[in-house]
Amino acid sequence: AQTVTQSQPEMSVQEAETVTLSCTYDTSENNYYLFWYKQPPSRQMILVIRQEAYKQQNATENRFSVNFQKAAKSFSLKISDSQLGDTAMYFCAFMKGPGGKLIFGQGTELSVKP
Amino acid sequence: NAGVTQTPKFQVLKTGQSMTLQCAQDMNHEYMSWYRQDPGMGLRLIHYSVGAGITDQGEVPNGYNVSRSTTEDFPLRLLSAAPSQTSVYFCASSPQGYGYTFGSGTRLTVV
Repeated sequence: AQTVTQSQPEMSVQEAETVTLSCTYDTSENNYYLFWYKQPPSRQMILVIRQEAYKQQNATENRFSVNFQKAAKSFSLKISDSQLGDTAMYFCAFMKGPGGKLIFGQGTELSVKP
Repeated sequence: NAGVTQTPKFQVLKTGQSMTLQCAQDMNHEYMSWYRQDPGMGLRLIHYSVGAGITDQGEVPNGYNVSRSTTEDFPLRLLSAAPSQTSVYFCASSPQGYGYTFGSGTRLTVV
């Protein structure tokens, strides 16, 4: 069974600085997808970024980028120029194949301080 | 587009009562899932569906039933509510190869 591990329960960063959230996963699959989701205090789950395992290029979405290390089974999220609105719980998630079950890590609570 | 709609948003049940959490999506997504979120435990998959008429169990299926008679709807039934089922429940849907879109959640309290 696939597992997703986020080893940082809480992190904080000053506004405008850069922060990196860590995620590792365990799988024997070759075809899979990785995601980062954001959950602000409103509780809504928001998709931040998506990575297809067969693509070597790291995904980027504006201030958000990932460092995907397939051999190491590592998938970290970098947030540049942190903003107060980035304060949220961040979840790393794994999906086997294009329509598999989405499995989540336990989350990292990020606080952006003014 | 409404996206993924969950009803109700809040519910209080007595132990032993049954109820159905409703979930509907208007994006013609093949895949739908139900999760529960408990403090410190992230989101855990309850049930999953790859299309109308096809469902599968997730990590924590006990005490819950699902059916998928149409592409749009994926209701979650609590058969006999227990205090351990107090949680926030999320429904989500996805097209093939993309991330899931989540509903806004249902906060369920079982007393």
